This record gives sequence, C-alpha cells and structure tokens, in this order.
Amino acid sequence: SSELTQDPAVSVALGQTVRITCQGDTLRLFDASWYQQKPGQAPLFVIFGRNKRPSGVPDRFSGSRSGNTASLIITGAQAEDEADYYCHSRDSGGDHVFGTGTKVTVL
Amino acid sequence: QVTLRESGPALVKPTQTLTLTCTVSGFPLTASGMCVSWIRQPPGKALEWLALVDWDDDKYYNTSLKTRLTISRDTSKNQVVLTLTNVDPVDTATYYCARNKNYDFFDSWGQGTLVTVSS
Repeated sequence: SSELTQDPAVSVALGQTVRITCQGDTLRLFDASWYQQKPGQAPLFVIFGRNKRPSGVPDRFSGSRSGNTASLIITGAQAEDEADYYCHSRDSGGDHVFGTGTKVTVL
Repeated sequence: QVTLRESGPALVKPTQTLTLTCTVSGFPLTASGMCVSWIRQPPGKALEWLALVDWDDDKYYNTSLKTRLTISRDTSKNQVVLTLTNVDPVDTATYYCARNKNYDFFDSWGQGTLVTVSS
C-alpha cells in the first residue's frame, strides 16, 4: 500500500503561522484529510476535501495540495493547537493510509 | 448526535483471537454512503487503518493484514465487529472505530479501547 510522509516535529511561536506537510504519490489522485490528536484523546478531523473545515473548527486551520504534497496550515497558532497532526488519504488499491504524524509545539 | 463506542477485552494472550465491537448510534449502518472503519494506534506510534464495511455490507481490508482480519456488522444491534486472529505483542494498540462517508474522511470517532497482547 501507499505511504504518506510527514515531518516528525515542528514548532511555532504563539500567534505565528505553521505549515505541516504530507507527501505521497496517492495525493496526486486523492484529497487528503487532516486530524488533530491531543494526548489521551481520539483524533478529531479538522480538514477534509483539500480545504474544507467541519463545523466548529476554527478558521485558522486551512488546507492545500500541490502535486504529491498536501499541507495543513495554522494561521495564528494558539496554545490549544499543540497536538499531533495526521494526514490521511486513500490509494488506488482501496486502502486507507495515514501519515507518519507531526508533533506541533507552540512556543 | 453521532456516537461510536468500542468494547472488548483489555488483555489478550499471544496466538489468541481478538474480537472488538463498535456500537453506533445517530445514523443507520445501511444509509447510503455510510461506512464504518477500524483503526488502531500502537502506543506512541501513528494511526493505522485496518478495515471498513460499507452500507451495502461490502468489506475492505488493509492489504498487509487482510489474512488475519474479519469485519462484520449486525444492523439489528447497530454494531460492527472486528476480529484479528493470531495476535502478537506488536498488535498492542488503542483500537478505534470511526465513521467515514463515501469511503472518504473519518468524521466521527469512538473514544478508543486499549488492547494489550501479553502472556
């Protein structure tokens, strides 16, 4: 099955912008969705359909895609955004694939 | 309100079969577009999708685990069941069930259940 690769960790100063990337060949065919996971909690989906936000997700979260890379952008990061973030997509074989995960630290 | 709740044993011995149940509410399993997946997460590691059952009772499995996995549903009980045979300590993980519409993103998740494989 396909792989989705993310940077293990990124840090961002409070109020600044951070981009979390996800690379994989399957992203040329299928959109990514993004999930936020805080310690001890189930994942929460924050972006779907390339750049759509579910109800209740702050508009500082946005998504984009270019070629084989999808991105989650947090504009004006808040302390509560500190979490692990996972991308997800499907592949042409029918499998669902999650990214390797990125730990975001808000300084 | 959509809810999913996982249940099953907290401890399983190596070589045994693990059976987990996901009880859903707030949506019918047979509604067009509705799918339920099982996903797991070993401690400190990434999420891994395991299996999916759709509204037509078609089933899909993680290619690398499909010989050990079976997903089924009981619509009368609003439940989706996952079995994993011949478990090993590497199968120790928190197991989640989640709803995905039209085979796409996972919009609702259960709280997860931690399963430890140990003798």
